[in-house]
Amino acid sequence: SQQGEEDPQALSIQEGENATMNCSYKTSINNLQWYRQNSGRGLVHLILIRSNEREKHSGRLRVTLDTSKKSSSLLITASRAADTASYFCATDGGSNYKLTFGKGTLLTVNP
Amino acid sequence: NAGVTQTPKFQVLKTGQSMTLQCAQDMNHEYMSWYRQDPGMGLRLIHYSVGAGITDQGEVPNGYNVSRSTTEDFPLRLLSAAPSQTSVYFCASSYSMGEKLFFGSGTQLSVL
Repeated sequence: SQQGEEDPQALSIQEGENATMNCSYKTSINNLQWYRQNSGRGLVHLILIRSNEREKHSGRLRVTLDTSKKSSSLLITASRAADTASYFCATDGGSNYKLTFGKGTLLTVNP
Repeated sequence: NAGVTQTPKFQVLKTGQSMTLQCAQDMNHEYMSWYRQDPGMGLRLIHYSVGAGITDQGEVPNGYNVSRSTTEDFPLRLLSAAPSQTSVYFCASSYSMGEKLFFGSGTQLSVL
């Protein structure tokens, strides 16, 4: 069963705009991770945020976590065409052994 | 470092055939796992291992076997391939449980 669910399923923006993707999950977590997948490729890790953290930054990426609402958001600022990819959130459901992925958000950044 | 290496990249099987998908990592990672990715389903965990000699089932283990005789290798065996196993398979590893995963480039499997 899917632990995390991303929203929206698809997002299309212009280069230079900001992109926000959301992830909701069902059970308590130790950490939440975001990954990117370019078409036909393996997933690449972006950010890991722990349950006791509220916000984390990495370059143009900002991730927030609200454990009371069981939700997270990924913000990509000043988007580029190269950011076009699918973005997945992954949660551990309280167990470090099993990382469960959502179905992803397909982001298209138009030049 | 090569990272996580999966072979083959593409494979076509007939129903009932068996095969092994290979996965190797050169980062001395303790944790390794196998996922399958189907359209509209996201990634689903098949099996995982927390160290050599230790494996356990994930969300969709039926029809698959794994073993972990060394830290580096984590092969996935399909015992009797079925069309429902047509998918893209990803191997992933991490330094320890709960840390970020490093993914291989995937194996695209078609079962006819």
